[in-house]
Amino acid sequence: AIQMTQSPSSLSASVGDRVTITCRASQGIRNDLGWYQQKPGKAPKLLIYAASSLHSGVPPRFSGSGSGTDFTLTISSLQAEDFATYYCLQDYTYPRTFGQGTKVEI
Amino acid sequence: EVQLVESGGGLVQPGRSLRLSCEASGFIFDDDAMEWVRQAPGKGLEWVSGISWNRGSTAYADSVKGRFTISRDNAKNSLYLQMNSLRPEDTALYYCARQHKVLHDAFDIWGQGTMVTVSS
Repeated sequence: AIQMTQSPSSLSASVGDRVTITCRASQGIRNDLGWYQQKPGKAPKLLIYAASSLHSGVPPRFSGSGSGTDFTLTISSLQAEDFATYYCLQDYTYPRTFGQGTKVEI
Repeated sequence: EVQLVESGGGLVQPGRSLRLSCEASGFIFDDDAMEWVRQAPGKGLEWVSGISWNRGSTAYADSVKGRFTISRDNAKNSLYLQMNSLRPEDTALYYCARQHKVLHDAFDIWGQGTMVTVSS
């Protein structure tokens, strides 16, 4: 199975900060990667698909980049509502695999 | 309204079985693959199983292979997960999700989850 290594596992940031989260695949996955946001007690929400495409309704301060094995989620200016846990998910092959998650805290 | 609604969770003893259901509405159910994802208390997301739109192919995480069976009934807009030989480590919130081919197979619709607790 493809391993997805996400870093950091947690970070502290302030409103207005630029935040970067990375995900590394154990083998090349083209651009078959999505980023998801999960708030406590809620289901995950899709932010980015195909590594860099912004899902409908997602604010443009979120962006994704990368291909092959290295991927990045960037929040250009952190807002209060962005404090959450973020996951990457490879949809290149089965079994699908998630990164371990990154908790973004104040 | 586009939604997925899971049901069937509960408290079950180790070694017993449980069947989860996920009912879809507001979109064309048989256009896309469907997935099950779980989250143990305080832990991250774990993909569990997936099924193609026409039931032609299924896939499972190693942790559930041979014990869980995914299925779907497109006429009823429903997805199922039959869970046998349950273990305490299967305790989790189970989500169903749509894997949307238009969005490069991303999981774009999620249910609210149904809780499964395996304990004696």
